[in-house]
Amino acid sequence: GAGVSQSPSNKVTEKGKDVELRCDPISGHTALYWYRQSLGQGLEFLIYFQGNSAPDKSGLPSDRFSAERTGGSVSTLTIQRTQQEDSAVYLCASSLWAGRNNEQYFGPGTRLTVT
Amino acid sequence: GESVGLHLPTLSVQEGDNSIINCAYSNSASDYFIWYKQESGKGPQFIIDIRSNMDKRQGQRVTVLLNKTVKHLSLQIAATQPGDSAVYFCAENIEDSSYKLIFGSGTRLLVRP
Repeated sequence: GAGVSQSPSNKVTEKGKDVELRCDPISGHTALYWYRQSLGQGLEFLIYFQGNSAPDKSGLPSDRFSAERTGGSVSTLTIQRTQQEDSAVYLCASSLWAGRNNEQYFGPGTRLTVT
Repeated sequence: GESVGLHLPTLSVQEGDNSIINCAYSNSASDYFIWYKQESGKGPQFIIDIRSNMDKRQGQRVTVLLNKTVKHLSLQIAATQPGDSAVYFCAENIEDSSYKLIFGSGTRLLVRP
């Protein structure tokens, strides 16, 4: 079956522009996670969804970042007024349910470059 | 998505040798740990996990050791193969936030033929 897919795979944008990153989780997975990975760093948790609800948004770096999920499936991560420090790989993962007994399956990521 | 960075700790091993990748975790409340493998251009892939009530867990060619006293985790790969070349991350999880993984910065494993 299909894994987690993300689009676009690469995005170059000018500072100050808004961007939308998309994640298609594995079918049937109710939990969805967003992470950010800066060059040479581990993954930084941003937000997770159980269904369409995001119980914890505390990992979002600033109020320029937002995410939504509709229909319990596709999620979009939106970054407004992008800054150069937003440049990173944004990874999405999904699991059957939120919680440690449910393996998170990762997508290939979207590489965002802000010029 | 490129994951490797210029300044990651790197372990270089000869094909066929055993590899040991180490990780120090920070939170004494963490009680669940996972090792991930990330190949270039791909997302992380689950390798093996261990709970804090265990000291050792074995999988296929991999063993994870946990030393809670010094908050240290290691991943041992037996008979390392070229396909094992990747960046390896440990991740920790605290029981009261069971959805959230805290990742280390990673170690790059290079396997010499």
